[in-house]
Amino acid sequence: AQSVTQLDSQVPVFEEAPVELRCNYSSSVSVYLFWYVQYPNQGLQLLLKYLSGSTLVKGINGFEAEFNKSQTSFHLRKPSVHISDTAEYFCAVSDSYNNNDMRFGAGTRLTVKP
Amino acid sequence: GAGVSQTPSNKVTEKGKYVELRCDPISGHTALYWYRQSLGQGPEFLIYFQGTGAADDSGLPNDRFFAVRPEGSVSTLKIQRTERGDSAVYLCASSLAVEAEQFFGPGTRLTVL
Repeated sequence: AQSVTQLDSQVPVFEEAPVELRCNYSSSVSVYLFWYVQYPNQGLQLLLKYLSGSTLVKGINGFEAEFNKSQTSFHLRKPSVHISDTAEYFCAVSDSYNNNDMRFGAGTRLTVKP
Repeated sequence: GAGVSQTPSNKVTEKGKYVELRCDPISGHTALYWYRQSLGQGPEFLIYFQGTGAADDSGLPNDRFFAVRPEGSVSTLKIQRTERGDSAVYLCASSLAVEAEQFFGPGTRLTVL
């Protein structure tokens, strides 16, 4: 079965600074990879996903992630963050042959300070 | 358009009681998923429906948990003899198909006293 490790539980950054949220996965089969964002008191919202093709995936709100198969990573990046990016971010993986079984990481709390 | 809705938004109950949590998926979405999110953790898969049938219930923690989707739309997650360890946010998601993006509801926060 696949699993996800988010290496940082909390990431504080200043506004307009770049940020990287790290995600590593383990799986014995081909995978789909996702990043979700959860704002306070709201549901999970999909930021971006990797299904196949280009390893650099661009998502909403200026976020992007790069699939690195050799390092089994899918790190999320943004070149310049805003206060409004403060939220919880979850990396998730699913077996590409069985997408209903999606496994989430424990989450990374991004706090953007003025 | 309307997203996934869940009711109630909050539920407080006493240990040993029975609770039902409801999920209204996006209209036309055939796949429906239930997850549980404990404090400080990511969502944990519970059960998945394709239409009316439970295609995968391997995530249900024990036989106190049960879910139904009788008409292939609304789903109800049922928990019998609740325990304090059941306290969590229960999330529902739906998708057009198994391979498609899952859209999440805001969740139901269950507190068992």
